[in-house]
Amino acid sequence: AQSVAQPEDQVNVAEGNPLTVKCTYSVSGNPYLFWYVQYPNRGLQFLLKYITGDNLVKGSYGFEAEFNKSQTSFHLKKPSALVSDSALYFCAVRDSGNTGKLIFGQGTTLQVKP
Amino acid sequence: ETGVTQTPRHLVMGMTNKKSLKCEQHLGHNAMYWYKQSAKKPLELMFVYSLEERVENNSVPSRFSPECPNSSHLFLHLHTLQPEDSALYLCASSQARPVAYNEQFFGPGTRLTVL
Repeated sequence: AQSVAQPEDQVNVAEGNPLTVKCTYSVSGNPYLFWYVQYPNRGLQFLLKYITGDNLVKGSYGFEAEFNKSQTSFHLKKPSALVSDSALYFCAVRDSGNTGKLIFGQGTTLQVKP
Repeated sequence: ETGVTQTPRHLVMGMTNKKSLKCEQHLGHNAMYWYKQSAKKPLELMFVYSLEERVENNSVPSRFSPECPNSSHLFLHLHTLQPEDSALYLCASSQARPVAYNEQFFGPGTRLTVL
């Protein structure tokens, strides 16, 4: 069965520093991986996805993610964090089948302090 | 309206009430999803509709009844809910066919409180 794990409940970084939010996955077949962000009392917003091709995927708001097949990881990164990046981040993997169903991780709260 | 909309945004109901949540997508997608998000819990997928056919029901209690009258609209009918059903209910849509790796687009959610 497909699954994702986000090992950190919370990540704290100082504004201007680089940030990393970790995600590991377990899939049978090719992995289709996604990152979403959720601000308080809002729905999830799509940030980026990996389907195939270049292992470094660039997304919205200056975020990027690195696909690492050998480590089965898909960590979210940003070179310079902003206070406004503080939110809840979800990693997801597409489930098998053709319904487009996603399996989400537990979520990681990112706190960026001034 | 653009994207995925949900109404109402907030709902307070008693355990004996009947209410419905509405979701509408303006993206031309062919799959729609209901999720439940409780405090300190991961997103729980409740129902999946693909081409207006329910293709997944994740052991959701019968007090939740989904309806998908067409590819743009999705409802969640609620009756005799329990306080533990209080949560944020999220609707999403995607273009799941012919390829199923397109991203899902989420609505803002309905914050449900059951008294």
